[in-house]
Amino acid sequence: QQQVKQSPQSLIVQKGGISIINCAYENTAFDYFPWYQQFPGKGPALLIAIRPDVSEKKEGRFTISFNKSAKQFSLHIMDSQPGDSATYFCAASMNYGGSQGNLIFGKGTKLSVKP
Amino acid sequence: DAGITQSPRHKVTETGTPVTLRCHQTENHRYMYWYRQDPGHGLRLIHYSYGVKDTDKGEVSDGYSVSRSKTEDFLLTLESATSSQTSVYFCAIRSGRGGGELFFGEGSRLTVL
Repeated sequence: QQQVKQSPQSLIVQKGGISIINCAYENTAFDYFPWYQQFPGKGPALLIAIRPDVSEKKEGRFTISFNKSAKQFSLHIMDSQPGDSATYFCAASMNYGGSQGNLIFGKGTKLSVKP
Repeated sequence: DAGITQSPRHKVTETGTPVTLRCHQTENHRYMYWYRQDPGHGLRLIHYSYGVKDTDKGEVSDGYSVSRSKTEDFLLTLESATSSQTSVYFCAIRSGRGGGELFFGEGSRLTVL
């Protein structure tokens, strides 16, 4: 019940296309859903995050769509660029901002954007 | 830059030897974490700390211990390294202002032969 299931494991997209990565969870107590981006040799960095009181959040070319009833959330990258090539992790936690709020991560999606 | 420094960045060691990885932060954050990253497993929490001398176990804590005697330093120790502990280890701090946002270090790649 603590798992976050992420798919696909890898994704190849043409430049200018839309990249879509999906995550699903079981624990309805989760109240914070971030996406992290990781480039080779670097640590993950927060890309965008959403809380369950909204169904969508957009920051530039990156959008999180959140479906509370289906317990799913997804990352959409519009107009994908070669510079977006990285590994993306979804995550979830409960007790947002509280005493612990430990993040549970998905297994990651390696995105390659072809020029 | 969240002011996180991990050391060493790379280490090769023999099975059975002790190994200590250090995470140093400069911004006085209360929460610090150690994760390991392995292909096909994503990031898994080993141990975390919520203050000086206050630590707790994560998902994959067996074979690891931690210590935090100062706010700025969080040490991860492998008492007797095994080949299954070959991994990339990431330290992270939690920004109180951001609620749940973690800032990660650059990672320490450990190879156990």
